[in-house]
Parts: sequence; structure tokens; C-alpha cells
Amino acid sequence: GAVVSQHPSWVICKSGTSVKIECRSLDFQATTMFWYRQFPKQSLMLMATSNEGSKATYEQGVEKDKFLINHASLTLSTLTVTSAHPEDSSFYICSASSSGSFSYEQYFGPGTRLTVT
Amino acid sequence: GQQVMQIPQYQHVQEGEDFTTYCNSSTTLSNIQWYKQRPGGHPVFLIQLVKSGEVKKQKRLTFQFGEAKKNSSLHITATQTTDVGTYFCAGQGYSGAGSYQLTFGKGTKLSVIP
Repeated sequence: GAVVSQHPSWVICKSGTSVKIECRSLDFQATTMFWYRQFPKQSLMLMATSNEGSKATYEQGVEKDKFLINHASLTLSTLTVTSAHPEDSSFYICSASSSGSFSYEQYFGPGTRLTVT
Repeated sequence: GQQVMQIPQYQHVQEGEDFTTYCNSSTTLSNIQWYKQRPGGHPVFLIQLVKSGEVKKQKRLTFQFGEAKKNSSLHITATQTTDVGTYFCAGQGYSGAGSYQLTFGKGTKLSVIP
């Protein structure tokens, strides 16, 4: 149980284009989904928290107009990287929780490797 | 803002030796979580500690939460090659205005030499 999938697992795009990453909870309803970014050899960095049906809460320093998050249902959240630049190349991981806070387990997706050329 | 320091950054041990990673927060935490990320994989939740002075065990893994709820440790007894990976702590603390902040440590990368 508690499986989270991400699609695509890797993507290469050109500078200036937009890329959408999907995060799905397959066997439970995710009240809250979290989006993280991981740079090589570094820790996870929380980008934003999204609750189903409401606007995402972005961490300080994360551009909400660049990283669009939509949590349309209890099983799906999407992250769209708009007007991608090479510095956006990174590993993006989502996680899902059946609770509305961090106090419960988060189940992580397998991640999406984004390369912007 | 809340900062979470984790040491050491890297640890190489001989199989069978013990291993410990430490996590220290700049602020008092409401809880702390530990994750393991295998090479090439994604983080997997290990445990959450909530109470001051709490100690929890999972087979060869022992997790501790400090009395002041500002530090935590993960100790692995008699490491095995399957323990290889990066261990992250993540501290949840109150950031004001009714909201909480989750901050990850940079992780400790464990290598086990057979």
C-alpha cells in the first residue's frame, strides 16, 4: 500500500519550453502533496505544499509563477516548470500524505529527472 | 529561519562496525523524521519521533530524540551492505502564524565496505 507514482521519470526539454510532471497516489487519498527538489549530492529542498482544491503554499525563494502546482484531485498533483532554463535541471520528487500536516508519514514518488538544454 | 544540521556528511565503515548520524536543529522541534535514500532511489520514511527523550528501535536501528527536542540521532549496530545509502533527518518546527516548517538535513551518506 501507499504507492506514489510520478510521470515522467525523466525528461529532456529545450530552454524556454514548459514541462509538466504528474504525481499520483495510487492506492490512497492524498490530502496533501509536497514537491521537493534535489540537487546532486544535496538534501531535499521543499518547494511547495499543496492541498486538494486550494492554492499551493510555496517556500521562501521559490517562484510560484515559474513552478505552477495544481492539486486537482485527492490522487493527482501536477508541477509545471514554465519557461525552463538550464538551471532548472534537477531531480524533482513529490510526496503524498493522507494528513494535512507533516506529522504523518509522507510517501515519496520515484522522482523525475529534468534536464533543460 | 529554522536550520537543521546533520553530521557527518559522509561515513565509510567496515561491515560489522557501528554507525551513527547526528541531527541538530536551531529551533525546538515538534517532531523529527528520518528517511533513507538508497543510491539511485527515492527517500523512504523510516520513523517519526515526537516525544522529548524518545528512543525507538527498528531491528539494528536505534533512533533518539533529545530531551530539548532540538537534536536527534540514528545509530546502526553491526552495519551490513544493505545499509548503504543516504540517511536524512527532517525536523518539523513552528514557523509562526499557525504554520509549521519541515526542514531536511543535508544527509549522511553511508558506505559499507564488505
